[in-house]
Amino acid sequence: DTAVSQTPKYLVTQMGNDKSIKCEQNLGHDTMYWYKQDSKKFLKIMFSYNNKELIINETVPNRFSPKSPDKAHLNLHINSLELGDSAVYFCASSHEYLYNSPLHFGNGTRLTVT
Amino acid sequence: SQQGEEDPQALSIQEGENATMNCSYKTSINNLQWYRQNSGRGLVHLILIRSNEREKHSGRLRVTLDTSKKSSSLLITASRAADTASYFCATFWGSARQLTFGSGTQLTVLP
Repeated sequence: DTAVSQTPKYLVTQMGNDKSIKCEQNLGHDTMYWYKQDSKKFLKIMFSYNNKELIINETVPNRFSPKSPDKAHLNLHINSLELGDSAVYFCASSHEYLYNSPLHFGNGTRLTVT
Repeated sequence: SQQGEEDPQALSIQEGENATMNCSYKTSINNLQWYRQNSGRGLVHLILIRSNEREKHSGRLRVTLDTSKKSSSLLITASRAADTASYFCATFWGSARQLTFGSGTQLTVLP
């Protein structure tokens, strides 16, 4: 069984469109995250979220918004897509809010904006 | 700014040799973690070392941490072709309340 699953695996879309990436975890974790990995493999945290608190990296444009219908899901909505949004987006989860708790990652969604 | 930086950026070795990757960071940390990423896949947690620990082992992996130098190293002994992947260090520092990753070392193990 896949612990952290993301859909779709590939997403190709045009500039200006709005898209969503879904993420689900079946580990019973209470905290979920979104990371962006650029072409040089640098990973940057975008959001961390548990049932009490959403922490947003201040460098993330407000075109990006996380939506959590329940603690097993954290979806990523992106409005007005730009060329620079092309990257691989990873969802992750952990048991408690980070301290001494490793992250479990999904296999990523490769977003290409044309 | 980026918290962890790995060195070297790329490493190519023969199967059976040992591989050593280094990580430097900038601020005090609570713990440091190493992850592996195979091509086209997500990151997989390898090992976590707390700030009050100096060395940790897990199978063929050995991690050291020197908080005075703000550095860590990951040693993979008797490497295998299947160890070919990118390796990332990540640091958790309380004030940021987030896990920050370095840019990774691409390890290639030649059969």
